[in-house]
Amino acid sequence: EAGVTQFPSHSVIEKGQTVTLRCDPISGHDNLYWYRRVMGKEIKFLLHFVKESKQDESGMPNNRFLAERTGGTYSTLKVQPAELEDSGVYFCASSQDSTIYFGEGSWLTVV
Amino acid sequence: RKEVEQDPGPFNVPEGATVAFNCTYSNSASQSFFWYRQDCRKEPKLLMSVYSSGNEDGRFTAQLNRASQYISLLIRDSKLSDSATYLCVVNDGSFQKLVFGTGTRLLVSP
Repeated sequence: EAGVTQFPSHSVIEKGQTVTLRCDPISGHDNLYWYRRVMGKEIKFLLHFVKESKQDESGMPNNRFLAERTGGTYSTLKVQPAELEDSGVYFCASSQDSTIYFGEGSWLTVV
Repeated sequence: RKEVEQDPGPFNVPEGATVAFNCTYSNSASQSFFWYRQDCRKEPKLLMSVYSSGNEDGRFTAQLNRASQYISLLIRDSKLSDSATYLCVVNDGSFQKLVFGTGTRLLVSP
């Protein structure tokens, strides 16, 4: 069974550009989460989807970040415009019960 | 104050040693507790859940003290392959949102 997959695995963009990260959860998982870890900090929650609905987006840092999960399957996280402090690793995770599985992350570098 | 506090380490131990990690959390409403393992530039992977009664999985033992809001992980007979960062993770009381510590780095040497 495929795990949580994320694309791209690495991305380097210039400040002011747009980046879209994609996450494919484990098939059948209704819950999808985005987390991120910026340099030197702990992993922090961004938001949680249940199917296509945003259950909790309290961790989204500002309105430059937009997450979608149309159709309740894969999700995208768009950063527009990107700032230097957005550099870090963005993890997607999914679950159907209490066990949450993480993807390998999308490493974003904003220069 | 961070919601989940861990000693970042690193803990340098020889193979075969016993090592213990501790963690404290600030949200008394937290209901679920976990230890995750993260290898360099990889995703966090669930090592074990932590229960008030304590639980053991092979060489790993986890304990939870709700009164002190304290979680521990004990690794016996350390292996080279145990070298990783160990993340203390609690939910925020809503069950679905995880709060991570910064992690404790373990280095096991021959």
